[in-house]
Amino acid sequence: DGGITQSPKYLFRKEGQNVTLSCEQNLNHDAMYWYRQDPGQGLRLIYYSQIVNDFQKGDIAEGYSVSREKKESFPLTVTSAQKNPTAFYLCASSLGYGYTFGSGTRLTVV
Amino acid sequence: GQQVMQIPQYQHVQEGEDFTTYCNSSTTLSNIQWYKQRPGGHPVFLIQLVKSGEVKKQKRLTFQFGEAKKNSSLHITATQTTDVGTYFCAGVNTGNQFYFGTGTSLTVIP
Repeated sequence: DGGITQSPKYLFRKEGQNVTLSCEQNLNHDAMYWYRQDPGQGLRLIYYSQIVNDFQKGDIAEGYSVSREKKESFPLTVTSAQKNPTAFYLCASSLGYGYTFGSGTRLTVV
Repeated sequence: GQQVMQIPQYQHVQEGEDFTTYCNSSTTLSNIQWYKQRPGGHPVFLIQLVKSGEVKKQKRLTFQFGEAKKNSSLHITATQTTDVGTYFCAGVNTGNQFYFGTGTSLTVIP
């Protein structure tokens, strides 16, 4: 079955550490996105990529980095520069009609 | 900047009652999409509305797009406990940029 796989589902990080969240899709979608969701809030765009080897900052890119070396993969690195990283991170892909979301990674800084 | 406002933020209904959530954009949209996120889950695409004044139905769910393409609503008739979750709208502008509403969290009391 086609879909988006995010791993891990839960992640704990110590303050000052970088951590990378995985996002893989087998839908052959060109566009991929990373969103952050905080409790009781909507989705805020971190980064997006419309083609391989190209990506753009979203509304809250500070403290995050991405790469898009393959069409299927769009990993997100949460760096130590991100002041408040504890959140639910959602990866999505699209062919231009609607988003398909992964099941998310819940990151907690301890 | 462009904004998509969604109301209400929370709604509690008795099972069998109707429910409506509203989205309003500060600018004219190309299309609007609706998503449902179950508790602990990820958003799932429900529908896309493109035409001015468009109305679409999915069983007990009715989606409307305003004549000016700046507002939209989702109406659920005779709610069931399976309708519980957060409903998000996403306005898409002519540049294909998505703007998610803050969501309406629906609780259905059996």
